[in-house]
Amino acid sequence: EVQLVQSGAEVKKPGESLKISCKGSGYSFGTYWIEWVRQMPGKGLEWMGLIYPGDSDTRYSPSFQGQVTLSADKSISTAYLQWSSLKAADTATYYCARRPGSGTGPHHFFGMDVWGQGTTVIVSS
Amino acid sequence: QSVLTQPPSVSGAPGQRVTIACTGTSSNIGAGAAVHWYQQLPGTAPKLLIYGDTNRPSGIPDRFSGSKSGTSASLTITGLQAEDEADYYCQSYGSKLEVFGTGTKVTVL
Repeated sequence: EVQLVQSGAEVKKPGESLKISCKGSGYSFGTYWIEWVRQMPGKGLEWMGLIYPGDSDTRYSPSFQGQVTLSADKSISTAYLQWSSLKAADTATYYCARRPGSGTGPHHFFGMDVWGQGTTVIVSS
Repeated sequence: QSVLTQPPSVSGAPGQRVTIACTGTSSNIGAGAAVHWYQQLPGTAPKLLIYGDTNRPSGIPDRFSGSKSGTSASLTITGLQAEDEADYYCQSYGSKLEVFGTGTKVTVL
């Protein structure tokens, strides 16, 4: 079974750092793009960026560039989303999702076909 | 950040047909970019419902269909069922960005 399993919920204080994970299984992890999506409480979906685990090619939405860092370790089929200094406004649920593609880029004809269960991050003093 | 506009809500009785519109621009849908639709049931992760404008992934019932024309796309649910009550999002690509729609809540009366 193809699946993405994300790390558990986090409660952090403003200014703290955090790294959440997304582990793929049941497919060749290095040959699909991993996208990250934010959903703030009661709000819609926002695209953050994506990474190709095969070579760690990374692309960010301008809204999130410089605010977060995407990374991946192909050897353990895991992608990461990290913050160096959290803010209360980072409180949200974060989803990873798979997108077919290649080293030249994601195949935009295909949607995000497999999603993780989401990681809820609460930032509060 | 959303540049794809959807109605906030639509509703229908069981068995009825409902359509959700997704309006983009000449930079995304109007440029020929594919449109995808996702269903998000309460408290769960989104699920791909339609990809490439009109295609259903394996396991998606044929009561869900997609279409596209000009700078807009639509999702139609034919024969609405109680379990279809959820939030629905369109998604496309343009100007090197993936973009989501504002989301539509479907209520089954």
